[in-house]
Amino acid sequence: QVTLKESGPGILQPSQTLSLTCTFSGFSLSTYGMGVGWIRQPSGKGLEWLANIWWDDDKYYNPSLKNRLTISKDTSNNQAFLKITNVDTADTATYYCARPPLGSIFDYWGQGVMVTVSS
Amino acid sequence: DVQMTQSPSYLAASPGESVSISCKASKSINTYLAWYQEKPGKTNKLLIYSGSTLQSGTPSRFSGSGSGTDFTLTIRSLEPEDFAVYYCQQHNEYPLTFGSGTKLEIK
Repeated sequence: QVTLKESGPGILQPSQTLSLTCTFSGFSLSTYGMGVGWIRQPSGKGLEWLANIWWDDDKYYNPSLKNRLTISKDTSNNQAFLKITNVDTADTATYYCARPPLGSIFDYWGQGVMVTVSS
Repeated sequence: DVQMTQSPSYLAASPGESVSISCKASKSINTYLAWYQEKPGKTNKLLIYSGSTLQSGTPSRFSGSGSGTDFTLTIRSLEPEDFAVYYCQQHNEYPLTFGSGTKLEIK
C-alpha cells in the first residue's frame, strides 16, 4: 500500500526558508522509474507543480520558482524534501507530495500540509 | 509553459445524468493529459492518464478523449460520490501544468 505524508512548519515569516518533508511507504526511491513530486495549492485556487525528483537523482523544477527551490531525497529513510527560500505571503498554500511513476502523472498523493507565511 | 484552460469552472447536475468537462492546451500535448478528482478529506485521485487510459480502480462510467489541444472528461450516469472537483494536467513536458478545476455539484 502506497502512502505519502507531508510535514512542515505550519507558519513562518517572510524571507525565511520553508522546509518540507515527505515521508512515504509502499515504494522505494531506489527503484527504477520511481519519483516524488511536490505540488501546492493556495486556498481556493488551483494546483501548481513545483518539482520532481527521480530514482536516479534527476531533478526538475518549475522555472517560475526555480532559483528558490531545492528538492532532495533520503532513499534509506523513504523521505523526500523540498526547500523554498525567501518565502513571502504568495507562498501561503497547502503543499502536497505525490508519486509520479514514469510519465509524470501523480498516482498517489499525500493529504497535504498547510503552510502560512505571515509577519 | 503549456497553459491549460478548463471549462466550465462550475457545473451542476443530478445523479444519473451525464456531464462533460473540457480541457484545452495552449499547444499540442499529444495525448498526454491526466484527470484528477479532489474530494474533501480524501487524497487526490488519479482517474485517467494519457488522454483516455483509465487508472486502475476508476469506474468505467468515467471516460477521457481528445488529442493535440482539446480534451474531454465525460462522466456517464453520475453517482453521488462523483460530486467533486476535477482537474486536468498535461504530462507532455516540463513544467507540468494543471487546469484551474471544475467543481461538480449536485443540482
